Amino acid sequence: AQTVTQSQPEMSVQEAETVTLSCTYDTSESDYYLFWYKQPPSRQMILVIRQEAYKQQNATENRFSVNFQKAAKSFSLKISDSQLGDAAMYFCAYRSIYNNNDMRFGAGTRLTVKP
Amino acid sequence: DVKVTQSSRYLVKRTGEKVFLECVQDMDHENMFWYRQDPGLGLRLIYFSYDVKMKEKGDIPEGYSVSREKKERFSLILESASTNQTSMYLCASGSRRREALEAFFGQGTRLTVV
Repeated sequence: AQTVTQSQPEMSVQEAETVTLSCTYDTSESDYYLFWYKQPPSRQMILVIRQEAYKQQNATENRFSVNFQKAAKSFSLKISDSQLGDAAMYFCAYRSIYNNNDMRFGAGTRLTVKP
Repeated sequence: DVKVTQSSRYLVKRTGEKVFLECVQDMDHENMFWYRQDPGLGLRLIYFSYDVKMKEKGDIPEGYSVSREKKERFSLILESASTNQTSMYLCASGSRRREALEAFFGQGTRLTVV
């Protein structure tokens, strides 16, 4: 099964600054999807951004962008102009195109935003 | 809007009880998932289902079983609850269409086994 690793249990950023959260994964598949989810204190998981492995262009959603390095199996999330509302747990996820589309998550990174 | 509904937000059960966690989705998704969330361990896949009556084990299936008799409903069963099953349980559903592979989550059930 694929594994997802988030090596930063906690990160901190000053409001209005930029922060990058790291994610690596292990797979032998050539086609797959990657996601970043946000979980605020309300516990509701919210999709932040998605990346299709066959697309070389990095995905962007407003202040959120990714750096997808397929050969290195790396998928980092950059948050620009950080806001207090960005404080949450962030989870990196891998979804297989094969294997009946199972989905695996990393251990998460807790992001604190300082005013 | 996609809606994934878990039957309880908080649940307290006794050791040895049989526990049912229910999850219902309203988007006709083929896939449904059960995860367990623990601090420092993230979301760990217990079981998932890719069709009615079809299931596959995830990374931590021991002590759990699942049932999917209808497409919209996916149940997680703790046959004999133990204190080490105290955790947050998250249900998710997702399409199998390439252009819509993101998963949608319920609000979670915090289960305490005493």
